[in-house]
Amino acid sequence: EAGVAQSPRYKIIEKRQSVAFWCNPISGHATLYWYQQILGQGPKLLIQFQNNGVVDDSQLPKDRFSAERLKGVDSTLKIQPAKLEDSAVYLCASSRTGFNQPQHFGDGTRLSIL
Amino acid sequence: GESVGLHLPTLSVQEGDNSIINCAYSNSASDYFIWYKQESGKGPQFIIDIRSNMDKRQGQRVTVLLNKTVKHLSLQIAATQPGDSAVYFCAENIGGGADGLTFGKGTHLIIQP
Repeated sequence: EAGVAQSPRYKIIEKRQSVAFWCNPISGHATLYWYQQILGQGPKLLIQFQNNGVVDDSQLPKDRFSAERLKGVDSTLKIQPAKLEDSAVYLCASSRTGFNQPQHFGDGTRLSIL
Repeated sequence: GESVGLHLPTLSVQEGDNSIINCAYSNSASDYFIWYKQESGKGPQFIIDIRSNMDKRQGQRVTVLLNKTVKHLSLQIAATQPGDSAVYFCAENIGGGADGLTFGKGTHLIIQP
């Protein structure tokens, strides 16, 4: 099966600009996650969707980050305005419905803030 | 602080030897654990998972051991190959309805020829 698709692979912007990332999960996976991975650290959960509803966004900096999954398939994550500390890899993952299902990750978008 | 951590940032092993990567977790409510492999420039790749009602699970060349008494998780890789070079993360889920994972910092496995 095709894996999780993410675009773009790389993005360079200046601070205070806005940026958006796109994710297409594995076909049939109802649950979708966005993680932030700062260099040298493990991924940190930002938001979890079940179909088009938000399950957990407790770690999403809502003053600048937003995410949507309007039709329950593709998702976008937006940052506006970006700060220097947002430089990271943004990873999307998906899993089947149900507890304790393994999450499968895309290769992420590497964001650099100048 | 983090609820999942790893003991060693770097582990160097000889090709063909067995590798053991360790992980300590602090949340006794954690009920699901996953090991991921991450190569440079790529996303984490699922290796193996284990639920809290088990203490051992085997896959192809890999074994995960879970010791709930001391809150310790390990990944054993048999006959380590050059392609095993990567950063390995353990991750946990504490249940409660949301399935987001908590990751540790990772162990960089280096294979010596």
